[in-house]
Amino acid sequence: KAGVTQTPRYLIKTRGQQVTLSCSPISGHRSVSWYQQTPGQGLQFLFEYFSETQRNKGNFPGRFSGRQFSNSRSEMNVSTLELGDSALYLCASSLDVTSVSSYNEQFFGPGTRLTVL
Amino acid sequence: AQSVTQLDSHVSVSEGTPVLLRCNYSSSYSPSLFWYVQHPNKGLQLLLKYTSAATLVKGINGFEAEFKKSETSFHLTKPSAHMSDAAEYFCVVRGNAGKSTFGDGTTLTVKP
Repeated sequence: KAGVTQTPRYLIKTRGQQVTLSCSPISGHRSVSWYQQTPGQGLQFLFEYFSETQRNKGNFPGRFSGRQFSNSRSEMNVSTLELGDSALYLCASSLDVTSVSSYNEQFFGPGTRLTVL
Repeated sequence: AQSVTQLDSHVSVSEGTPVLLRCNYSSSYSPSLFWYVQHPNKGLQLLLKYTSAATLVKGINGFEAEFKKSETSFHLTKPSAHMSDAAEYFCVVRGNAGKSTFGDGTTLTVKP
């Protein structure tokens, strides 16, 4: 079974631009979460999508947005990029079939390394 | 509300000696707990998980962790470190709403 895939793996943008990152979950997984990882802030939760609906949201500004398609693939968008948005963006998927969502482990993709100049 | 504290930001051991990575959690209900490992420039790989079954959980690559509710701890151990274990380790608490909170990570160095 293929793992979580993220594209592109590396991106270089300049301040003020916008960027779209893509995540394809493991086949059959319906939940997709996004995280930002930086040396200073560690791993921070951005948002989670389940069945095309945003189910959870972290404490990030509105410049960060996402969506999920009917095939569970997800995209996240960052508008008006700032230098501080440089980070590794990780996507994780989970099966989420139990009634207790906390039981479902997340499987992570390799990440997209975004550099903002 | 939930939180995770990894008590050591860096741990250094010699190859063949035991590994102990400490994690304390806080949660207003019975959470699920996970340990992930991240090798340089890689994504996170699940080592093991606790979901209210056995309190001693065995994971991959010889790692295990014990859930101690009275101490609100979920420490990760391995009897004998290998050079390939050098990486960053994250303790994670996941609540009923499916939201995950990560610890700050512990960097494990293994000396030959």
